[in-house]
Amino acid sequence: KQEVTQIPAALSVPEGENLVLNCSFTDSAIYNLQWFRQDPGKGLTSLLLIQSSQREQTSGRLNASLDKSSGRSTLYIAASQPGDSATYLCAVGETSGSRLTFGEGTQLTVNP
Amino acid sequence: DAGVIQSPRHEVTEMGQEVTLRCKPISGHDYLFWYRQTMMRGLELLIYFNNNVPIDDSGMPEDRFSAKMPNASFSTLKIQPSEPRDSAVYFCASRGLIRDSYGYTFGSGTRLTVV
Repeated sequence: KQEVTQIPAALSVPEGENLVLNCSFTDSAIYNLQWFRQDPGKGLTSLLLIQSSQREQTSGRLNASLDKSSGRSTLYIAASQPGDSATYLCAVGETSGSRLTFGEGTQLTVNP
Repeated sequence: DAGVIQSPRHEVTEMGQEVTLRCKPISGHDYLFWYRQTMMRGLELLIYFNNNVPIDDSGMPEDRFSAKMPNASFSTLKIQPSEPRDSAVYFCASRGLIRDSYGYTFGSGTRLTVV
């Protein structure tokens, strides 16, 4: 059974810092990996999706990397802003692409 | 595209009442998922459908929960009778191509409170 772990559970940084969120998974036979953002009381917004054959994806100030062999992904946020404050969830897609297993999330606070 | 649409956004009901949550997936998406989110358990997959057919309902907590997908554009999750421990946010998601890979789009959720 796939298990997904996110470290740290919570992170508080001053505005402008570059930061890294970590995600690890136990079964390397994945289809893809998706990073989501969730604001309090809101739904999940997809940030980046990395196929199993890819090493990284970038969107604006966000960069996600994937190392399947070691069962790890990182989400890098450059020049953090207070608007980045949210919970970030990592989700691993099974080989068939039909099921997502979520980590418990990292709650990020960026202080002005 | 309007995205995945869920209704209602909020539902408050009394214990023992029937609750029906609704979801309209993105047109053309072939999978539909129902998740439940609580502080204690995080996001849990309840059931998912492929081309309107239920594939795995092993996450449905008990017989009080049922889900249907009568057509490609509509699904319901029903709880009967509801209990206070069912209070949670229920998300619907559908799967489709994001760039060259299949990714998930979530609805805004239904916040259910059973009193």
